[in-house]
Amino acid sequence: AAGVIQSPRHLIKEKRETATLKCYPIPRHDTVYWYQQGPGQDPQFLISFYEKMQSDKGSIPDRFSAQQFSDYHSELNMSSLELGDSALYFCASSFRRGGGPGELFFGEGSRLTVL
Amino acid sequence: GQQLNQSPQSMFIQEGEDVSMNCTSSSIFNTWLWYKQEPGEGPVLLIALYKAGELTSNGRLTAQFGITRKDSFLNISASIPSDVGIYFCAGLIDGNKLVFGAGTILRVKS
Repeated sequence: AAGVIQSPRHLIKEKRETATLKCYPIPRHDTVYWYQQGPGQDPQFLISFYEKMQSDKGSIPDRFSAQQFSDYHSELNMSSLELGDSALYFCASSFRRGGGPGELFFGEGSRLTVL
Repeated sequence: GQQLNQSPQSMFIQEGEDVSMNCTSSSIFNTWLWYKQEPGEGPVLLIALYKAGELTSNGRLTAQFGITRKDSFLNISASIPSDVGIYFCAGLIDGNKLVFGAGTILRVKS
């Protein structure tokens, strides 16, 4: 079965640079979530989109922005990168329309290293 | 905000032993999810629980949604080396927000 696809898997940037992560949700899923996971930490919720509209916002820095496109894929844009942004970034998707089960399925993550 | 207390923090067990871990919260959740994560990979959904009191199995895994909707446990029977990883409980509220526990690191000695 198709899973959540994230790209790139690994990314190395320098401080103050920008980075863009992409996420392709499971087909027919209508909700996309972005999570950030630091070393030894549990995933922290950043932001979510339902039917291409921002649904909920967590601990996403102002330097980050995200959007969901008409084909339901999503991009997380990170600017003015800081060393502390180094982490694994996960995208997850779920099906919520009509009271769908709502389980989140995660991609394999994008590892961002800021030097 | 919502917080999940997951225990134990880590376990180092002998192959073949059974494992039990649990999560508690002061908040009520509509859905409990259990994930397993291996190094450098995304969390993989193991079991989803939707109703208070529900007991669900997936192979050697069994999980229960507490009656109060504030807790859940996961049992792994007859552990094998490939069970190694970090297990996260997660509570889903409002059908949208997923809150994770801190994780249980499982190591299996063969």
